[in-house]
Amino acid sequence: SQQGEEDPQALSIQEGENATMNCSYKTSINNLQWYRQNSGRGLVHLILIRSNEREKHSGRLRVTLDTSKKSSSLLITASRAADTASYFCAYSNYQLIWGAGTKLIIKP
Amino acid sequence: NAGVTQTPKFQVLKTGQSMTLQCAQDMNHNSMYWYRQDPGMGLRLIYYSASEGTTDKGEVPNGYNVSRLNKREFSLRLESAAPSQTSVYFCASNWDRQLQETQYFGPGTRLLVL
Repeated sequence: SQQGEEDPQALSIQEGENATMNCSYKTSINNLQWYRQNSGRGLVHLILIRSNEREKHSGRLRVTLDTSKKSSSLLITASRAADTASYFCAYSNYQLIWGAGTKLIIKP
Repeated sequence: NAGVTQTPKFQVLKTGQSMTLQCAQDMNHNSMYWYRQDPGMGLRLIYYSASEGTTDKGEVPNGYNVSRLNKREFSLRLESAAPSQTSVYFCASNWDRQLQETQYFGPGTRLLVL
C-alpha cells in the first residue's frame, strides 16, 4: 500500500502546549498537504508544502518537509481547545495519497 | 459561494437497495472526486473525474458507479448496497487533477447499510 503513515495515532495535550504530528511516505512527491477534520465534518485544507520547500508557516502552524527521510511534521503552537480535531497528511505524485490521521485532543 | 455540497447527509439502506449520492461545486473546478472514509483509515479514492465528460476508477471502485453530469455535478451510485459499503462518503473538487493541489471537501454523507 502507498498509504502515508502518521504518528502518533492519537495525542492528548494541555491547552497552551505545542502539538507535533509526523507523516512519512514512500515515494517521490510533488507536494505534501495537511488537512484538519473536525468531528463529523469534511476536511479543511491547512497548508501545502512543495517538494523543493523545507519549511512553511501559516499562523500558529509550522510544517517541515525532509525529502531525504521522506517525512513531514506539523507543529501547532500554543494549542487551543478549538484545535481538537483529526489531522491528515496527503502527498502527491500522480495522485493524492492519504495518511490515516492523528487524533488531537486539547484539554482545557 | 456554497463550495462543495452533498446530499443526503445521512442514509440508511437495506442490503441490495440502490441509491445515488449527489455532489455539486460552485467554484468552477475541473476535477471532482469521491472518497470513502472508514474508522482508523485515511481517505480512499473511489472514482474521480479529471474534467467534464471523463471519469476514472480510483483505489476502491468495486460496487460503485459515477456520473459527471456537467462541470458542477458528480454523482456516486450504489447499485446494490452491501454492509461493507457502510462508511462516510466525501466529495471533493479542485482546479486540475494533474497539479494535485488543494482539494475542497463537502460535509460528507454517512451511509449505513443493514
